Amino acid sequence: SYELTHPLSVSVALGQTAKITCGGNNIGSKNVHWYQQKPGQAPVLVIFRDTHRPSGIPERFSGSKSGNTATLTISRAQAGDEADYYCQVWDSSTAWVFGGGTKLTVL
Amino acid sequence: EVQLVESGGGLVKPGGSLRLSCAASGFTFSNAWMSWVRQAPGKGLEWVGRIKSKTDDGTTEYAAPVKGRFTISRDDSKNTLYLQMNSLKTEDTAVYYCTTGPYSENYPFDYWGQGTLVTVSS
Repeated sequence: SYELTHPLSVSVALGQTAKITCGGNNIGSKNVHWYQQKPGQAPVLVIFRDTHRPSGIPERFSGSKSGNTATLTISRAQAGDEADYYCQVWDSSTAWVFGGGTKLTVL
Repeated sequence: EVQLVESGGGLVKPGGSLRLSCAASGFTFSNAWMSWVRQAPGKGLEWVGRIKSKTDDGTTEYAAPVKGRFTISRDDSKNTLYLQMNSLKTEDTAVYYCTTGPYSENYPFDYWGQGTLVTVSS
């Protein structure tokens, strides 16, 4: 089965840039989507198809991919960005797969 | 504004059944492909299953852990999505979210409901 790997946690100082990675075999050939989930709330789509932002998502959120790693970058991090972040792809062996999630802490 | 409101969660014994509903509004439900995603307490997200629109043949797909036990259906006249869960196991304990999409392997889960908690315990 296909697996996506995240760091368990990432910390960033207020106003600085946070990078959350997502690794997977051959992820370069897949469309990667990112979701933000704040405590007690439902997930929200923040990046789709690697680099696209849904309407209403701040430009501070961006996505990229290189080799076997996709990255969600949050610029000028705010306290309100504290959340769990999940990457997600589709794979022929497992259908829709989510990473285990990264907890972002803004210091 | 897209709204998805799940209901029907609760406490059920192992081996029991439960049916979840998801009331949709703010978009053309009959054209939408819909999914269920679940999240066990303190854990990550897990796709459960998807149903296509009836105009796109209305077929369903399921994740391996629930295949043969769970059934997704829809009532387009009521703008409602359902998840019938049978032979429930303790490991099915989770918050169940209704989502729009994905429309293909290249598309995401666009909108999510607030979720409904299912607890399977004796």
